[in-house]
Amino acid sequence: LAKTTQPISMDSYEGQEVNITCSHNNIATNDYITWYQQFPSQGPRFIIQGYKTKVTNEVASLFIPADRKSSTLSLPRVSLSDTAVYYCLVVRSASKIIFGSGTRLSIRP
Amino acid sequence: ETGVTQSPTHLIKTRGQQVTLRCSSQSGHNTVSWYQQALGQGPQFIFQYYREEENGRGNFPPRFSGLQFPNYSSELNVNALELDDSALYLCASSSNRDPADTQYFGPGTRLTVL
Repeated sequence: LAKTTQPISMDSYEGQEVNITCSHNNIATNDYITWYQQFPSQGPRFIIQGYKTKVTNEVASLFIPADRKSSTLSLPRVSLSDTAVYYCLVVRSASKIIFGSGTRLSIRP
Repeated sequence: ETGVTQSPTHLIKTRGQQVTLRCSSQSGHNTVSWYQQALGQGPQFIFQYYREEENGRGNFPPRFSGLQFPNYSSELNVNALELDDSALYLCASSSNRDPADTQYFGPGTRLTVL
């Protein structure tokens, strides 16, 4: 499974757009890119998943360039409740998920 | 809410004891994975069960074992508990029919070993 690299921490302010970029240089053809959000002492929560180009749901957008070696999670107009750890993962059918250390996002008033 | 439930919520054990944690998967999901998450770290894969058979294992000793039942619920058993086993244990369910293997996590069981 491809290893992912993402910033250890990020800070932003309420109402801003936050973009978290993840690199996954060794991504394989069958791999999907998935992002999870985790609050303290809770299980990770699925945010968004994509294979290529752009995916948008009610929570976030995911941008994936043509070479798929990186991806960017975009959170529009963040609020204090978006303070959490965000994990970028590369997953493949019927295989285990490998979590890295994630990005600790702090939102300030 | 993901529909994945875990019990108990919290548990305190002493070193050397044995513990059983339980997980009910989301309706329609036939695969259950277990993770250990130490404080301040990302979840670490323990093993996965698919249709009652172990389907992959992480770097955990044999004293970590599991079961999956015909209704796809699952148990994680840990024998001879050590202090380092103190962690949040997470269960996630998924469907093998999903090519992206999207996993949905339960709230976790907080295990403290004294």
